[in-house]
Amino acid sequence: QITLKESGPTLVKPTQTLTLTCTFSGFSLSTSGVGVGWIRQPPGKALEWLALIYWDDDKRYSPSLKTRLSITKDTSKNQVVLTMTNMDPVDTATYYCAHTRVASGSPPVAFDIWGQGTMVTVSS
Amino acid sequence: QTVVTQEPSLTVSPGGTVTLTCASSTGAVTSGYHPNWFQQKPGQAPRALIYSTSNKHSWTPARFSGSLLGGKAALTLSGVQPEDEAEYYCLLYYGGAWVFGGGTKLTVL
Repeated sequence: QITLKESGPTLVKPTQTLTLTCTFSGFSLSTSGVGVGWIRQPPGKALEWLALIYWDDDKRYSPSLKTRLSITKDTSKNQVVLTMTNMDPVDTATYYCAHTRVASGSPPVAFDIWGQGTMVTVSS
Repeated sequence: QTVVTQEPSLTVSPGGTVTLTCASSTGAVTSGYHPNWFQQKPGQAPRALIYSTSNKHSWTPARFSGSLLGGKAALTLSGVQPEDEAEYYCLLYYGGAWVFGGGTKLTVL
């Protein structure tokens, strides 16, 4: 059974850097085809894809946020870490991590299993 | 800036059929965009329904189906149930990047 859980601060100040951790179980990020992504959702608004890291350390970022984001993995700890710099009140949102899988000859499966999300408020 | 557009809201009667669509600002949506569909109920994380246009997850109810329709990705619900009232999001692939649509609020009334 695949599970993911997000953790990190609930409140950050403007201009600070946010660091979120996704701790997962039921799969390994060293397995070919596996990835973990981050998605956020401001209160009452739509989902927004942020970043994705694959088993081979290939990293993908939202073009609009690329300069502020960094995604890394620690395979031994079953964790993926997202950092977002220069936080602003508009970054207030629930942040989710989710499992992804791609396989040669098969269609990609984006974000099939999600964590419960963690709410982050940006305020002074 | 790529924009993915969905109907803001739709209403359907219980037992009825409704189709939600997903359009891309770059042009017609094809299978290469690997359309995904998600359902989200208030206070819950999104739940995946459809991947790569029309493939269902093991937990996806049979009444949900995905397709391409008139240059858009489409999600059709047949025999709508009250519990299908939710927000639905599509997700498209743009060569390494993923973009969500703005969501469709489906009301079952």
